[in-house]
Amino acid sequence: DAKTTQPTSMDCAEGRAANLPCNHSTISGNEYVYWYRQIHSQGPQYIIHGLKNNETNEMASLIITEDRKSSTLILPHATLRDTAVYYCIVRVAPNNNDMRFGAGTRLTVKP
Amino acid sequence: DTGVSQNPRHKITKRGQNVTFRCDPISEHNRLYWYRQTLGQGPEFLTYFQNEAQLEKSRLLSDRFSAERPKGSFSTLEIQRTEQGDSAMYLCASSLNGGANEKLFFGSGTQLSVL
Repeated sequence: DAKTTQPTSMDCAEGRAANLPCNHSTISGNEYVYWYRQIHSQGPQYIIHGLKNNETNEMASLIITEDRKSSTLILPHATLRDTAVYYCIVRVAPNNNDMRFGAGTRLTVKP
Repeated sequence: DTGVSQNPRHKITKRGQNVTFRCDPISEHNRLYWYRQTLGQGPEFLTYFQNEAQLEKSRLLSDRFSAERPKGSFSTLEIQRTEQGDSAMYLCASSLNGGANEKLFFGSGTQLSVL
């Protein structure tokens, strides 16, 4: 699996957009980009995933660059409850059966 | 949908004792995963089941660790002769199917402390 690089921590003001970057420069053509987050004392929660097109759901948007070497997770209106560790993961599907989590980005949303 | 349930939430044991954790996945989810997470790190994959078959094991899963999913529903993770290095959060996750759109649903974990 391709490795990912994320900033260790980020801050965001409540109500503003949170933009979390992820580099995956060695990603292969059949590897998907997944985002999960982990709020303190809970298990990780799925947010969104994509292959090469931008994706949006009720939680967030995922922007993948044309060369697929990086992506950005966007939380359009961050709230205090979005404070969490955000993990960017790349994996091959359907054959790869494990998600490899890195250390993620600790996002702190401040009032 | 009651979510993935893990029991106990916390376990304190003495070094050398055996411990067993239980995971109840979301009903009808045929895939079940075990992960381990230490402080400040992301979850590390341990093993996974497709129905009752254990299909993959990480090299992190030493011979003191054993996982079962006897009827393709709940799963247990046993650690024999616990060591202080086993102290961690043990997470279980389940999914309906594999493939490109697989979404893992995690439980809240079992926090193990080995004294």
